[in-house]
Amino acid sequence: AQTVTQSQPEMSVQEAETVTLSCTYDTSENNYYLFWYKQPPSRQMILVIRQEAYKQQNATENRFSVNFQKAAKSFSLKISDSQLGDTAMYFCAFMKHGGSNDMRFGAGTRLTVKP
Amino acid sequence: GAGVSQSPSNKVTEKGKDVELRCDPISGHTALYWYRQSLGQGLEFLIYFQGNSAPDKSGLPSDRFSAERTGGSVSTLTIQRTQQEDSAVYLCASSFRGRAYEQYFGPGTRLTVT
Repeated sequence: AQTVTQSQPEMSVQEAETVTLSCTYDTSENNYYLFWYKQPPSRQMILVIRQEAYKQQNATENRFSVNFQKAAKSFSLKISDSQLGDTAMYFCAFMKHGGSNDMRFGAGTRLTVKP
Repeated sequence: GAGVSQSPSNKVTEKGKDVELRCDPISGHTALYWYRQSLGQGLEFLIYFQGNSAPDKSGLPSDRFSAERTGGSVSTLTIQRTQQEDSAVYLCASSFRGRAYEQYFGPGTRLTVT
């Protein structure tokens, strides 16, 4: 079974600074997707970034980038130039490619951006 | 266009009562997913619908939980004889067929069982 671990329950960062959120996962699969979702107080899950395991290049979306280490089964999220609107819960998630469609989530990291 | 909508936004019910939670997926999305988010936890997969195929119910925690999807669009998650441990946020997501990696989530229903 696939498991996703987020070891940082809470993090804080000063506005305009950079913060890195950690995620590790356990799987025997070779082809899969990894995700970072943001959940603000509105509860709606918003996709921040997606990585396909067969792609060696780390995904980037504006201020958000990942450090994907397949051998180490690590998938960290770096937020650059943090903004107050980045304050939210962040969830790391895993999904096998093809087959089952259920997504496995970590327990989340609560990020607070301080002015 | 309109996103995934869920109703009600919040629901408070007494232990032992039945509840129905509704999800309206994005138009054109044939796949629909239900998740449960307990307090301080990540999301837990419950059930998956794809078109007219038999749903994947592998994540339902007990036989008190059931879901249906009428006409390939709106879905209802029903919890019978609610228990306090059912208190959680129930989230729905939808996607195009074969694009489970691109799910769009609704705002969820917060269920409180007293």
